[in-house]
Amino acid sequence: GENVEQHPSTLSVQEGDSAVIKCTYSDSASNYFPWYKQELGKGPQLIIDIRSNVGEKKDQRIAVTLNKTAKHFSLHITETQPEDSAVYFCAASWNSWGKLQFGAGTQVVVTP
Amino acid sequence: GAVVSQHPSRVICKSGTSVKIECRSLDFQATTMFWYRQFPKKSLMLMATSNEGSKATYEQGVEKDKFLINHASLTLSTLTVTSAHPEDSSFYICSATPRLAGGPHTPQETQYFGPGTRLLVL
Repeated sequence: GENVEQHPSTLSVQEGDSAVIKCTYSDSASNYFPWYKQELGKGPQLIIDIRSNVGEKKDQRIAVTLNKTAKHFSLHITETQPEDSAVYFCAASWNSWGKLQFGAGTQVVVTP
Repeated sequence: GAVVSQHPSRVICKSGTSVKIECRSLDFQATTMFWYRQFPKKSLMLMATSNEGSKATYEQGVEKDKFLINHASLTLSTLTVTSAHPEDSSFYICSATPRLAGGPHTPQETQYFGPGTRLLVL
């Protein structure tokens, strides 16, 4: 099955700086890579996703890059704000019915 | 769009009782619904995959007689924790995948999550 590793486990950044979270996956058949943001006591919220036929996708301050050859993908948050503080999960899907394998999560803390 | 609700948001019950958690897709029909369990400061652990009108597929190590899943319609799935014990206390989260007919820009793999249900078994 698929295995997803996520780094770092915690990330502290100064407000206004950029944050980068990296994930690697093991199954070359994986073709869909979503990123979720989870605030304390809430369910995960989809913030951006990318498919294997695309190398980069951007949505305002959030971008995701995918390197299929190296089997890794990254989340980039620019101009971080305190409200970006949360746990971020990467995931990979390798099957047609959408089953996801999640990374361990990254606790992001943005300090004013 | 793509809103998923869960009810109740939190529940406290006595050991030995059963608890039912509902998961609804409010503005779309769901091809598939998933049930996850999450421990504090941990990642999401998939418990089972549920398709409307068919039996759920459980992940290895998840007791299907303990965690009963019913997917009665394209917008509703329920998880029943039977004879709950303190070790069943956890955060349970469902997700739903929209049907392709929901729009050409909605990939079938996209999972939208509910807000979660906090279960505490005394």
